[in-house]
Amino acid sequence: GDSVTQMEGPVTLSEEAFLTINCTYTATGYPSLFWYVQYPGEGLQLLLKATKADDKGSNKGFEATYRKETTSFHLEKGSVQVSDSAVYFCALGLYNFNKFYFGSGTKLNVKP
Amino acid sequence: DGGITQSPKYLFRKEGQNVTLSCEQNLNHDAMYWYRQDPGQGLRLIYYSQIVNDFQKGDIAEGYSVSREKKESFPLTVTSAQKNPTAFYLCASSRRDRDQRRTFGSGTRLTVV
Repeated sequence: GDSVTQMEGPVTLSEEAFLTINCTYTATGYPSLFWYVQYPGEGLQLLLKATKADDKGSNKGFEATYRKETTSFHLEKGSVQVSDSAVYFCALGLYNFNKFYFGSGTKLNVKP
Repeated sequence: DGGITQSPKYLFRKEGQNVTLSCEQNLNHDAMYWYRQDPGQGLRLIYYSQIVNDFQKGDIAEGYSVSREKKESFPLTVTSAQKNPTAFYLCASSRRDRDQRRTFGSGTRLTVV
């Protein structure tokens, strides 16, 4: 069935380190892909999205490229800050089937 | 600015009580959703509504009820039949076209005392 799989956390990095959070998906049809971020005690905020293969979503220094050949949408940032500490969720949307799936979330801890 | 407002932010429930969580949006979105989040866990869909006066069960609807009398509002009632209601509840909304992104409220933390 359709699903999203994220790398398990927590991921702990030092400030200014390079970040990669892996996300792979299984889907029938042609999904849109999303990354959301959740800060402690808050709701989810959309970080970036991509709607078709080879699209690159970017926002606040974060990037993710929709790779159809590897069914992946990995989140990257070149230099993380303490303020990036949060839980990151990968998500998949299938418009034709009115379906939307979230991954299990990856907690990121950035140390000064 | 448009957005989703959830209230209250914190809610305490005694055993055997029903409680209602409020969710209001001014984004003119047709679809609305309720999710439950347990500590360190992902999101689980409770109920969703595509249009006014219509709603469907999600993956964990038992012990919950909803109504959708207005486009802007989608309240969730946690009934006494929900045996483990302590959790963080998130309301979301979206358009019904190809832009499927969910917009979330800031959540309500429900605790049974």
